[in-house]
Amino acid sequence: ETGVTQTPRHLVMGMTNKKSLKCEQHLGHNAMYWYKQSAKKPLELMFVYNFKEQTENNSVPSRFSPECPNSSHLFLHLHTLQPEDSALYLCASSQDTGGYGSPLHFGNGTRLTVT
Amino acid sequence: EDQVTQSPEALRLQEGESSSLNCSYTVSGLRGLFWYRQDPGKGPEFLFTLYSAGEEKEKERLKATLTKKESFLHITAPKPEDSATYLCAVQAGDMRFGAGTRLTVKP
Repeated sequence: ETGVTQTPRHLVMGMTNKKSLKCEQHLGHNAMYWYKQSAKKPLELMFVYNFKEQTENNSVPSRFSPECPNSSHLFLHLHTLQPEDSALYLCASSQDTGGYGSPLHFGNGTRLTVT
Repeated sequence: EDQVTQSPEALRLQEGESSSLNCSYTVSGLRGLFWYRQDPGKGPEFLFTLYSAGEEKEKERLKATLTKKESFLHITAPKPEDSATYLCAVQAGDMRFGAGTRLTVKP
């Protein structure tokens, strides 16, 4: 496989469930990101990992918990979510975070619906 | 605070009708300005990076330009397959995105 792969593509969960989103990149990049995309709003950066170390947590509620076991894999663990958390969750990677103008490469996202 | 504003929010064109999308930004220490294309149900796809005022880049019917305050994405003789949402992003520290322009090209 090539590029950035996200699973599952769609997820429906109740407010009391616990689930995880998975992201894998096959580009040899060192930085990985979680973004939230809601209708008609700009992409919101949630978390950044560079060389497996979390370098940014953009004031994200603790019901979202990231995990980055290595430079190729990124998880987002979800628990006790709220309906307003329903959105498209996008994973991205880049060569690194310090590079001058490194573009992001995105997966196709997980469409999350919280009922 | 870094800001990115895209206009118009939505644009409908006839096939062959050229137009431009605008991305205005305020940022300190620009590392790069990026354009992405996003199709429904998919993640954004990287198109261009521009680094300094005066720079231009082209790809098929698309041409991106950059000034110190804004970037334009010019679409020449668009086709229906150019229909998508076009996202602009600026990088100083983190990459900050605009809300996008939803382009529809009618045959």
